Amino acid sequence: GAGVSQSPRYKVAKRGQDVALRCDPISGHVSLFWYQQALGQGPEFLTYFQNEAQLDKSGLPSDRFFAERPEGSVSTLKIQRTQQEDSAVYLCASRRGAAGVGEQYFGPGTRLTVT
Amino acid sequence: AQSVTQLGSHVSVSEGALVLLRCNYSSSVPPYLFWYVQYPNQGLQLLLKYTTGATLVKGINGFEAEFKKSETSFHLTKPSAHMSDAAEYFCAVSDRNAGNMLTFGGGTRLMVKP
Repeated sequence: GAGVSQSPRYKVAKRGQDVALRCDPISGHVSLFWYQQALGQGPEFLTYFQNEAQLDKSGLPSDRFFAERPEGSVSTLKIQRTQQEDSAVYLCASRRGAAGVGEQYFGPGTRLTVT
Repeated sequence: AQSVTQLGSHVSVSEGALVLLRCNYSSSVPPYLFWYVQYPNQGLQLLLKYTTGATLVKGINGFEAEFKKSETSFHLTKPSAHMSDAAEYFCAVSDRNAGNMLTFGGGTRLMVKP
């Protein structure tokens, strides 16, 4: 069975450009998470979806960041007017259940470099 | 708010030696606890987790961790390091009530010398 996939794997954007990062979770997984991992640091939570509902977006660093999961499967993280501080690896994770301690399965990440 | 501290951003051991990676957490209520491993250009992989019950947890690849409530610690150990264990290791916690987002430590890079 396929794991979590993310595309593109690498993205270079000029400052001020908009970017869209895609996450394909494991089929049937209810929960989907986005994390941001800056160089040399641990991942930091951005947002959480349960099916198509965005239940927690407390980690989004600014209103330039927007995430959606319209049909409860694929999710897109959009960053508008990218800044250099947005350079990081963006990780997506999915979990089978709606809550609890089921394992979060991580994708390989998208490395975003803003020049 | 929860926080996780991993002492030592880099740990170097010889092949065959004991591996000890330290993790301490700060939380008003004992959280769920996790260790993840990250190989270069790959996603995070769960090594083990503690939710309830026995405080000594065994995971994959010969790793284990012990939850010590009095010390608010969840240190990761392996009796004998292999070259293939070289990677970045992350300790994480999750709120016991919500059980959703993970809060990660800063990570420890394990290097294994031949």
